[in-house]
Amino acid sequence: DADVTQTPRNRITKTGKRIMLECSQTKGHDRMYWYRQDPGLGLRLIYYSFDVKDINKGEISDGYSVSRQAQAKFSLSLESAIPNQTALYFCATMHANEQFFGPGTRLTVL
Amino acid sequence: QQQVKQSPQSLIVQKGGISIINCAYENTAFDYFPWYQQFPGKGPALLIAIRPDVSEKKEGRFTISFNKSAKQFSLHIMDSQPGDSATYFCAAKYSGGSNYKLTFGKGTLLTVNP
Repeated sequence: DADVTQTPRNRITKTGKRIMLECSQTKGHDRMYWYRQDPGLGLRLIYYSFDVKDINKGEISDGYSVSRQAQAKFSLSLESAIPNQTALYFCATMHANEQFFGPGTRLTVL
Repeated sequence: QQQVKQSPQSLIVQKGGISIINCAYENTAFDYFPWYQQFPGKGPALLIAIRPDVSEKKEGRFTISFNKSAKQFSLHIMDSQPGDSATYFCAAKYSGGSNYKLTFGKGTLLTVNP
């Protein structure tokens, strides 16, 4: 089945470390997104990309960067992780107004 | 600035009851209103969606009611079942060909007791 996959699924890291979250999709969709989910705050958009050469900041991009290595791959990096970046991170694609989410990465920054 | 306000934050319903989750928006440029369902340990998935040219859309036990003049829309789950226990997000999308972003509400944790 065409799918959205995220690696790792769980990660514990320390303050100041650089970390990369990876997303791959086999749906053939051009549009890809990174969200973070926090209890009581819902889903907040970090970055999005409409094609390999198009990268856009979302509402909470500070402290994050992204790389669109190919149509199918969209990575999120935390250059210097801090504890308030502890959250559940979702990658998603979009086609015909519908978003297709990956299973999420639970990140803990100690 | 919260563009889509969702309530309640949590909801407990007995099996067989009706679950109602409400959302309100300010920006009249929104033209597509989906609801997403998220089970624990999973990513959200599209449940049902509506456009503002209709006042109601029904799919099985799930119904969206849309009030354009009040800028409100709601999800009704009839005959709620324990398997409906999940987090529900309303969302909205701006009109326009290049606006491929959804603005999400903060979510409602629904618990259906057996």
